[in-house]
Order: sequence, then C-alpha cells, then structure tokens
Amino acid sequence: LAKTTQPISMDSYEGQEVNITCSHNNIATNDYITWYQQFPSQGPRFIIQGYKTKVTNEVASLFIPADRKSSTLSLPRVSLSDTAVYYCLVASGYNTDKLIFGTGTRLQVFP
Amino acid sequence: DVKVTQSSRYLVKRTGEKVFLECVQDMDHENMFWYRQDPGLGLRLIYFSYDVKMKEKGDIPEGYSVSREKKERFSLILESASTNQTSMYLCAGASGGRGDTQYFGPGTRLTVL
Repeated sequence: LAKTTQPISMDSYEGQEVNITCSHNNIATNDYITWYQQFPSQGPRFIIQGYKTKVTNEVASLFIPADRKSSTLSLPRVSLSDTAVYYCLVASGYNTDKLIFGTGTRLQVFP
Repeated sequence: DVKVTQSSRYLVKRTGEKVFLECVQDMDHENMFWYRQDPGLGLRLIYFSYDVKMKEKGDIPEGYSVSREKKERFSLILESASTNQTSMYLCAGASGGRGDTQYFGPGTRLTVL
C-alpha cells in the first residue's frame, strides 16, 4: 500500500506559483498519481494525473521524478479562488488494490 | 457533463437507527466508491463496487454495508447508526480502476445523535 504524506497547510499570495509536494515512498509499478482539489461543502474535483516525468494541463503541472517516490503539483499564478484543500492519491487500475488518499494540504491564498 | 448525485446534503439520525445513503451516477461507470471524510483524517475508503452486485471492503468497512443492484446506483447502509459515524460521506464514480479519474458527489453530512 502506497501511503502518501503532504504538508498540512501552505500560504501564498495572488499571482505567485505554488508547489505542493506529496511523498509516496512505497508506490507500486502500476500506480498512478492523481491530484484533487476540494472546496468547502463540495466533493473533490480532479485536477491532474500522471505516471512519470511531467504532465501539464490548463490549470496545473505535475512533476514526477524518475524514482516516483514523490510528486509535485504546481499551480501557476494562483488566485483567491485557488484557496482549497489539495489531495494526492496514489492508486492503480487493479480492483484488488486499496485507495490511499493523503490527508490533504490546505492552501490559503491571500490578496 | 458528468454528474454524481447524493440523496441528501444533510441528515440527522438517532443512535440505533438504520440509515440509507443513496448515490446515483449518470456516467455509466463500472466503479463506484463510498468514503467518509473527517477533520485531520482526509478521505477514507469504506467500500467500493466494481460491478453490479460486486463489492469489496475498503479501509474502514466496520459498521457499514453496501448495495449495488443497478449500475447507476450505489447505496451505503448503516445498520445501526452510532455517534462515531457522524461524518461527511462522499460517493464517487470512475470508469476504470483506482487510478482513473473519480467523479465525486457533493457529499452528505450525517449527524448521529
């Protein structure tokens, strides 16, 4: 089972780049890394997913080193609306595996 | 636009009551999940289902059961609610395995008195 560890909280200011790192030392060969965003009173929402190296979409980038034991979610030029909790999930496509969500990182963006 | 709906946003029950939490997805996904979310503990998987009538225990199945009679509907059952089951319950659906994108419902905040 790939247990994940994230910082509990982070602060930033509008317009800055924010990097949130997740550690997953026991990641398995078949595991993917997925990041979710959650606002208060809502369910988590998919942000980005990757297996190795770098993935970029319209809202974020995901950096995964060669050993895959950690990953970094990068949010460019954050705004107040990016204030949320961010979860790192390590999971595989096999039904017998368990889902391991991290406890999440609470990002607070200040004006 | 994909959608996962949960039967109630807020629910208050008494200790010992049988509680049903319903979840419906319109994405034709094989996989559905039930989580509970508590402060400081993140999301913990209770049960998941990878097909109709198929289920598998997650990390914290004690005190819960599930039912999946139709592909689009996944129910979480608390046979005899207890105060330590007061929590936020989240349902999700996914097309493939655990690594695939999960689509979450808005959650049900259950209070057991």
